[in-house]
Amino acid sequence: ETGVTQSPTHLIKTRGQQVTLRCSSQSGHNTVSWYQQALGQGPQFIFQYYREEENGRGNFPPRFSGLQFPNYSSELNVNALELDDSALYLCASSLQGIRDNEQFFGPGTRLTVL
Amino acid sequence: SQQGEEDPQALSIQEGENATMNCSYKTSINNLQWYRQNSGRGLVHLILIRSNEREKHSGRLRVTLDTSKKSSSLLITASRAADTASYFCATVGSGSRLTFGEGTQLTVNP
Repeated sequence: ETGVTQSPTHLIKTRGQQVTLRCSSQSGHNTVSWYQQALGQGPQFIFQYYREEENGRGNFPPRFSGLQFPNYSSELNVNALELDDSALYLCASSLQGIRDNEQFFGPGTRLTVL
Repeated sequence: SQQGEEDPQALSIQEGENATMNCSYKTSINNLQWYRQNSGRGLVHLILIRSNEREKHSGRLRVTLDTSKKSSSLLITASRAADTASYFCATVGSGSRLTFGEGTQLTVNP
């Protein structure tokens, strides 16, 4: 167990709806990264939050947004859901500034868009 | 887009045999990491190798890195049925984001 938790475990939404996914980082970590993993593929970087600000973003549209709170937990929000948003969403926490910056992953949230 | 490519895409072996997976990447890196994923669940970090290292061991795992060829390999020795999973390599460049390959699905038959 990494100490990183995500909620909910599974979620079913319909096209056009909005969704919020949550992540609690490992104790002592100040950085949260979000990844999207489509079925049969490797995870793709969505964005990273460090000290409550976005600190890098992958190739995802603006309808993917996030927040990081003072306790370093984080939310991923997706608006106007599309069928292709169906995926496993993974968050990873880390401690910025240390060598290698190892990231610890949560169990993921499985989102299905109908 | 994915930076890395892994081969094979799928590998099926018998318990006790060794499993070798390869990963290639495109840009310069600070380090390369290998992860395991069981049945679409969270990723488990296995081993990290820095760009100035050529080989690293951890238990039954052996990782090599050839920066001139932009490639890495993961060897699992004396495999067990519990090693059945998807294995991903991920590179870290100038930032701290991980760029993953497509993964290798390993099946170890008892």
